[in-house]
Amino acid sequence: DSGVTQTPKHLITATGQRVTLRCSPRSGDLSVYWYQQSLDQGLQFLIQYYNGEERAKGNILERFSAQQFPDLHSELNLSSLELGDSALYFCASSHTDRQLYNSPLHFGNGTRLTVT
Amino acid sequence: DAKTTQPTSMDCAEGRAANLPCNHSTISGNEYVYWYRQIHSQGPQYIIHGLKNNETNEMASLIITEDRKSSTLILPHATLRDTAVYYCIVRPRNNNDMRFGAGTRLTVKP
Repeated sequence: DSGVTQTPKHLITATGQRVTLRCSPRSGDLSVYWYQQSLDQGLQFLIQYYNGEERAKGNILERFSAQQFPDLHSELNLSSLELGDSALYFCASSHTDRQLYNSPLHFGNGTRLTVT
Repeated sequence: DAKTTQPTSMDCAEGRAANLPCNHSTISGNEYVYWYRQIHSQGPQYIIHGLKNNETNEMASLIITEDRKSSTLILPHATLRDTAVYYCIVRPRNNNDMRFGAGTRLTVKP
């Protein structure tokens, strides 16, 4: 158990809809990361937050957005969903921001999103 | 802009050591080598990381060559539960994210 909690585990929705994925980081971790894993793309980094502020952006679509709240949990919002958005969405957390102490990322077990 | 090269797949006999190679010939001085694995569709699991020196923990050993252009992850006594995709990642010290490649699919056979 990594200590990172993601909800829900499974989500089925229709095209055009909007969903919110939730992540609770490990106790004490200030950074949260979101990744997408689809069958043909592998693990793709989407975005990182540190202590409520956006720190790094990867291949995140404009239809997707995220935020980190004062209690450090994070939400990933996916809107105008398309069939191609069907994927596993992973959240990870780490202790530090600038990796001064080589802090690994610890991943949750993901949310499986199916868009029909 | 792949920074690492790994074999697509490998097999290992149960109980034997699994040696997973990784080439990172363009690694720079402030970049660390990280290893993760992903079992089926679970979240990636951190295994080990290092900069220059060899590292060992309860899961595995990491051997980094002196020129740092390649490394080997060693699972000393592989079990069937070690069957997974193993990712070797080069990560700058001040980088905020972790970029995954295709990894090596390790199959441990009875």
